[in-house]
Amino acid sequence: GQNIDQPTEMTATEGAIVQINCTYQTSGFNGLFWYQQHAGEAPTFLSYNVLDGLEEKGRFSSFLSRSKGYSYLLLKELQMKDSASYLCAVRPHGGGNKLTFGTGTQLKVEL
Amino acid sequence: DVKVTQSSRYLVKRTGEKVFLECVQDMDHENMFWYRQDPGLGLRLIYFSYDVKMKEKGDIPEGYSVSREKKERFSLILESASTNQTSMYLCASSLRREGYNEQFFGPGTRLTVL
Repeated sequence: GQNIDQPTEMTATEGAIVQINCTYQTSGFNGLFWYQQHAGEAPTFLSYNVLDGLEEKGRFSSFLSRSKGYSYLLLKELQMKDSASYLCAVRPHGGGNKLTFGTGTQLKVEL
Repeated sequence: DVKVTQSSRYLVKRTGEKVFLECVQDMDHENMFWYRQDPGLGLRLIYFSYDVKMKEKGDIPEGYSVSREKKERFSLILESASTNQTSMYLCASSLRREGYNEQFFGPGTRLTVL
C-alpha cells in the first residue's frame, strides 16, 4: 500500500520562498506528482518527478529522493495567488497511472 | 484546450435516492477516474476505468458503482444515497501510458445528501 505524509498547513510571506515537504512509503514507486488546488476549484498539475533530483519550472521546483521516500515542492517569489492547497501524489508501479494522494498542505501567503 | 466537464457543480439529494454523476472528457483519454475529497482525508479513489466497459475498484468503492459505455464518458452511481456520501466528487482523465502523464481534473460536484 501507499502512505503519504505532508504538513497540514503552512504560512509564508509574499516575496519569500517556501518549501513543502512530502514523505511516502510505497510498495512500488513509479513517479511523484504535485498538484495545486485553489479553494473550490479542480486540482491542476504542477510537476512530475520519477528520477532523483530537482525539476525546475519557473518559480516552482520539485525535488525527489527515492532512497529516502522524500520530495519537496519549492515556491519562490511567493505571490498572494499562490495561496492554495498543494497535493503530493504517488504513482505505484504497474498501477496503470493510478495515483495515491496525500491530504494536502494548505499554504497561506500573507503580506 | 483540454477539458473535463462534470454534469453539476452542486447537487442536493435525499437519503435513499439513486444519484448519477456524469463526467465527460474531450481529450480521447483511455483512463478515467472518480475521487471524493473530504477535509482532512484528501482525495480518495473510488473507481477507475482504463477502457470502455472496463472498471476497477479504487480504495473506497463501497456504496458506489460506475459505468463507461463510451470512451469520453464515465458515470458514477450512488445506488442508494446516504448522508455519509456527502462530499466533493472529482472526475479525472489521463492517457493510459505511464511516464510524464498527468491526470486532468474536472471542476467537481459538491453533493449534499439530506
